[in-house]
Amino acid sequence: DIQMTQSPSSLSASVGDRVTITCRASQSISNYLNWYQQKPGRAPNLLIYTASSLQSGVPSRFSASGSGADFTLTISSLQPEDLATYYCEQSFSPPYTFGQGTKLEIE
Amino acid sequence: QVQLQESGPGLVKPSQTLSLTCTVSGGSIYWSWIRQPAGKGLEWIGRIYTSGSTNYNPSLKSRVTISLDTSKNQLSLKLSSVTAADTAVYYCARGSATAGYAFDIWGQGTLVTVSS
Repeated sequence: DIQMTQSPSSLSASVGDRVTITCRASQSISNYLNWYQQKPGRAPNLLIYTASSLQSGVPSRFSASGSGADFTLTISSLQPEDLATYYCEQSFSPPYTFGQGTKLEIE
Repeated sequence: QVQLQESGPGLVKPSQTLSLTCTVSGGSIYWSWIRQPAGKGLEWIGRIYTSGSTNYNPSLKSRVTISLDTSKNQLSLKLSSVTAADTAVYYCARGSATAGYAFDIWGQGTLVTVSS
């Protein structure tokens, strides 16, 4: 199985801050990397697919980059509604696997 | 607007079979089941293509069956010989060909508790 490792596991930031979350795969996954946002009590929501493509309806403050094994998700200006846990997921090879999550708190 | 809705028993006894269904619609390359124990991360259970071909997580493969009834637009999950470790919120999700096989639509999730 391909292991996905996110860092940090938790993060506290202020409104307006630039926030970066990283995700590393245990092997190259090309650009088959997706990012999800999960708000408390809700199902995950797709933010980014194929490493850098913004899903329709997702605010433009979210962006992502990377290829191979190293990827990043950036929120350019943190908003209160961004309180959530963020997961990366590889869709390169089944079993598809998720990172352990990054819990983002607003200071 | 594509919507997914999981349904099934919220309580299953140990050693029994967990059975869930999900009403699906819209175009898709495949449908998946994903679960999440309380306070923990996401685990992919498996997927079924609209052709009927399946892939399962090796960690669950011996106990899982995913099926698709296209006439009823119904996706099903069966997980046999359940234990407390199978207690989780179970989600159905759509794998999208236009989104790099990412899960672009999710059901709201249904909590299944394994307990006697």
